[in-house]
Amino acid sequence: NAGVTQTPKFQVLKTGQSMTLQCAQDMNHEYMSWYRQDPGMGLRLIHYSVGAGITDQGEVPNGYNVSRSTTEDFPLRLLSAAPSQTSVYFCASSPEGTGANVLTFGAGSRLTVL
Amino acid sequence: EDQVTQSPEALRLQEGESSSLNCSYTVSGLRGLFWYRQDPGKGPEFLFTLYSAGEEKEKERLKATLTKKESFLHITAPKPEDSATYLCAVQAGTGGFKTIFGAGTRLFVKA
Repeated sequence: NAGVTQTPKFQVLKTGQSMTLQCAQDMNHEYMSWYRQDPGMGLRLIHYSVGAGITDQGEVPNGYNVSRSTTEDFPLRLLSAAPSQTSVYFCASSPEGTGANVLTFGAGSRLTVL
Repeated sequence: EDQVTQSPEALRLQEGESSSLNCSYTVSGLRGLFWYRQDPGKGPEFLFTLYSAGEEKEKERLKATLTKKESFLHITAPKPEDSATYLCAVQAGTGGFKTIFGAGTRLFVKA
């Protein structure tokens, strides 16, 4: 099993450009989520999904869009990149959306917006 | 509002010098409290889940404990390979299925 796979690992964008961070998991997990990690602020939840076709907002959703058309994939779209979106992004999944479930994280995607 | 606060922000220890990391939380109906370890340039990796006050779990040199307001991660006789950032997180019984993280404690263990 590959676990949670994120692509790309590194990306540099110019202000105003759009892009998609990809996340795929092969563990048949129902729950998937996106976090951003900034120095001194820990991991902050952007969006999450409890199953295919269902998404919801986390703490910092503005400027990001998600969809969940399959159980395996949960892409994160930046609509118009801003320097404030420079961060490390982590995708995480867990077996189901109920109960206290352990998250499995990807290796992260480092995004720089100039 | 669900909140997780970790202290200290950074901790420097000599090899063999035991210490504790603190995680205080406020949450509406705790479903579970988690400890993760994160090495530089990598995603967090799961260490422990605690469900109720009084519960304790151990793994090698690490022991996690839980009260109604806080959790401690005790590190006994640490080694340099224990150097990492340790993250505490909570999952609440209300507010959907969100896991809320603290900012982490960076641990440095010197040989």
